[in-house]
Amino acid sequence: DGGITQSPKYLFRKEGQNVTLSCEQNLNHDAMYWYRQDPGQGLRLIYYSQIVNDFQKGDIAEGYSVSREKKESFPLTVTSAQKNPTAFYLCASSSPRKGREQYFGPGTRLTVT
Amino acid sequence: GENVEQHPSTLSVQEGDSAVIKCTYSDSASNYFPWYKQELGKRPQLIIDIRSNVGEKKDQRIAVTLNKTAKHFSLHITETQPEDSAVYFCAASRREYGNKLVFGAGTILRVKS
Repeated sequence: DGGITQSPKYLFRKEGQNVTLSCEQNLNHDAMYWYRQDPGQGLRLIYYSQIVNDFQKGDIAEGYSVSREKKESFPLTVTSAQKNPTAFYLCASSSPRKGREQYFGPGTRLTVT
Repeated sequence: GENVEQHPSTLSVQEGDSAVIKCTYSDSASNYFPWYKQELGKRPQLIIDIRSNVGEKKDQRIAVTLNKTAKHFSLHITETQPEDSAVYFCAASRREYGNKLVFGAGTILRVKS
C-alpha cells in the first residue's frame, strides 16, 4: 500500500479553524491532485499540480488552498471560508511518462463541527 | 467543461451473472476513460482503462467498450463474484487539460451469493 500516503486518516476540527491535510508520494510522479468525495457523489477535483511550484484550480477550489514546494508533497488547506468542509479527501498522483493512471492515497476523513 | 453521467446508481446481481454499467460524456475531445473500483472506506483503484483510439478492451472477467460517436462507454463484468461488490466510478479526461479526471457519480454493485 506504499507509494502515496495521506495523514491523518481521521481529522476533527471546530468550525472556523483552518486545517491542513498531508499528501506525500515517493513514486517520482510529476502530477498531483486533490479530490473531495461526498456520499452518493463522484470524486470532484479541488486543485491539481502538474509540476513543482505550479498548480491550478479544479472545479470546486473555493475555500481551499494548496502549495507544491516539493515534488513529493502537495498539502491541502481547508480554510474557514469553505462552507461545507466535512468530507472524505483523496489525494492522487500520476506521471504522464508512465501512462495516465492516477494512483490514489488512502484518504483523510475530515469532520468539522 | 466535461460532464460525465453514470447509470445505474445501484445494481444488484446474482453471483455468476453479468453486470453492465454505462457512462456518457459530453466533451468529444476527451480521449482517456478509466474505471475505478472503490471498496468501503478504501481508496479507488484502477481496474481497466481505454483510450479513444480503441473500441474495446478486455482483462479476464472485465471489459470496457467505447462508442466515440455516441460518446458513451460501458463496463462489463462477467461471472460476478461476491468480491466484486463495491462502488464503481467511470471517468473521462483530456491530456491537454493536465489529465484532469471528471468522474461519474458512481454505481454501487451488490453481488448476491
